[in-house]
Order: sequence, then structure tokens, then C-alpha cells
Amino acid sequence: GESVGLHLPTLSVQEGDNSIINCAYSNSASDYFIWYKQESGKGPQFIIDIRSNMDKRQGQRVTVLLNKTVKHLSLQIAATQPGDSAVYFCAENGGSYIPTFGRGTSLIVHP
Amino acid sequence: GAVVSQHPSWVICKSGTSVKIECRSLDFQATTMFWYRQFPKQSLMLMATSNEGSKATYEQGVEKDKFLINHASLTLSTLTVTSAHPEDSSFYICSAPGTSGSSGKNIQYFGAGTRLSVL
Repeated sequence: GESVGLHLPTLSVQEGDNSIINCAYSNSASDYFIWYKQESGKGPQFIIDIRSNMDKRQGQRVTVLLNKTVKHLSLQIAATQPGDSAVYFCAENGGSYIPTFGRGTSLIVHP
Repeated sequence: GAVVSQHPSWVICKSGTSVKIECRSLDFQATTMFWYRQFPKQSLMLMATSNEGSKATYEQGVEKDKFLINHASLTLSTLTVTSAHPEDSSFYICSAPGTSGSSGKNIQYFGAGTRLSVL
């Protein structure tokens, strides 16, 4: 698989609201999924991961949900803050050593 | 967590010159590293897989003579943009795989990126 060179979809939220960022994946053999956060002008950073034998995993203010039936992944951010403004990428490990990144979503948090 | 250092963070060069970007794994060894290119408001595009001690593997459409990759040690990979032209202006990012402390699976540790502007 390869990343898609399309313009990023944008999600705008108000500070304090909850945010939900969605990602669809294509490889049904993928057994591990990761969310990364990329702030403007920086490299992506790991946020949270989930194995395919789970359907939910929680971190600090973030929750990842995995629906293998429809090959869908979501990242929920509770009480979104201005510092959460960034581009969020999902990635899947489908057995290949090469990471496969999703399209990315630009999250804009309005104070 | 593991740290990947990328240098320089920003470079401006004249058309026709070559630019070298370094990617270092600071506290772990990386037999494999990845190089990406990112255009504004777009996703990461994998350019090549850098392999320590052997040739890099380039993605389809990426010119290997244009983007020279050298992975001479377990902690350093370099990307050289040769005879750079304005269309090569972009944000270049490297990553190295490491283990996630929580799951034990491989995740990517990214450098901070290099903004290349070719005049």
C-alpha cells in the first residue's frame, strides 16, 4: 500500500468539544494500527496504538476504536484543546515491514 | 521513547546544487530507515526504504539517481537531493522503526523534517 497524495480533509471543532477522526483501511490482514499526530512544520509523533484483537483502547484524553468488520479506525479526543490542532494520520501494519499511512485529517481547534 | 534526529531542519539552495539531509537514530540502532516527502496539506509519500549496508529500495516513480540514499551505519541514513530544482522543494521526513513500549510492536519514530527550498 502507499499513502495517498490528496489534500487533507479538515475537522473544525470548538475548544472543549470532543473530536472524532476517522480512518478507513484496506488490508484485512493488518493486525496492528497506530495513530500519529503531526504538528505544523514537524515530523509525526506516536499517539496511541491498537492490536487487531482489541476493539477499543484508551489513553490520556484519547481513545482509539477499531471495527474490523468494516475496516474502520477512529480516534476520539476528549475535551479538545488548541494544542491538539494538528494533522492526524492512521497507519497500519499489514505484515509488511513498510508502514502504510492513511490520508490524514487536519484538526483545527477554535478557542 | 526513541529519538530520531534529522538535520538540517531548513535549507535553501540554488538550482543545480546538491543537498544532503541526515537522519540519525540517537539511542537505538536502525538497520532500516524510511524517507518520505510531504507536500503542503498532503499526506506522507514514501520515497524509499534505506537499508544499512545495502542498496536502498525506491518506490515506484522515485528517481534513484536524483535522490541518493546512503545508510552506512546502524544509526545514520542520508538523503542527497542531487542537482536540485525548484520542483524538488518540499518537506522531507525520515523515520526509523522501533518498538512501542506499550504493545511491543513496531512503530515509526520520525525526524522533525527538513524543509527544502530550491531557488
